[in-house]
Amino acid sequence: QKEVEQDPGPLSVPEGAIVSLNCTYSNSAFQYFMWYRQYSRKGPELLMYTYSSGNKEDGRFTAQVDKSSKYISLFIRDSQPSDSATYLCAMSAYGGTSYGKLTFGQGTILTVHP
Amino acid sequence: EPEVTQTPSHQVTQMGQEVILRCVPISNHLYFYWYRQILGQKVEFLVSFYNNEISEKSEIFDDQFSVERPDGSNFTLKIRSTKLEDSAMYFCASSERGANQPQHFGDGTRLSIL
Repeated sequence: QKEVEQDPGPLSVPEGAIVSLNCTYSNSAFQYFMWYRQYSRKGPELLMYTYSSGNKEDGRFTAQVDKSSKYISLFIRDSQPSDSATYLCAMSAYGGTSYGKLTFGQGTILTVHP
Repeated sequence: EPEVTQTPSHQVTQMGQEVILRCVPISNHLYFYWYRQILGQKVEFLVSFYNNEISEKSEIFDDQFSVERPDGSNFTLKIRSTKLEDSAMYFCASSERGANQPQHFGDGTRLSIL
C-alpha cells in the first residue's frame, strides 16, 4: 500500500463550483499535513498547514483532517479560473529518525473553466 | 514576501559530468531540503540539512550526491557523475524553526542529462 494516495484526476469544474480534493495515507506516524498548489513550471506553493484533526479555514480554502480514518481533504469554495493548477497533499512525521521529510501525493490536476 | 530562489532555472549537462544546483533559502530559516520530481511522478524527498549537517536522507541520495552550505546564504546540491535518470526538476525548500514547520519551496531547477 502506498504511503500517500491521491486521485490524480484530472478534475474539471465550472467557475463558482465547490471543489473537493482528497488524500489517504497509511502511515499513522504522520502528524503534519500540508496542501500545496503547483502551477506549470513553478515550485509548490504552500496553501494550508495543519497538525490536528478537524477543520482549518483560510479564505476560500478549508483543510480537513481525519486522523482516525487517515484521510485529509481540501475544499475550495467559489472556485476561480486562477485556481487551475495541480494540488499536492504532503505530510510528515516528527520525532525518532524523522526530521521534516515530506511525503507527497501524486497531485490532482484541477481545471476551472469560465 | 520572502522566497526561496534557485539557479539556474534550467541546466543541460552531458552524462558523467558534475553539476551543482544552487539555492538561496529564506534568510531566517534554519532547515533546508532538496526534493526532486521526475516528469509525471511524485515529488520525492532527497535530503534534509540542519546546523551544517545532513539530518536525514533518502535511498535516492547515494554517494553521487552531496550538499553544502558554503556561506551564510547559499545551499547547494552537487551530483558528482550525472546519469540519464538524474533528469528531473530539483526543488529546494526551507523552513523556519523546526522540522515540523511548513516548508517553502523554490521554483526549481530543470536538470536535463544528455
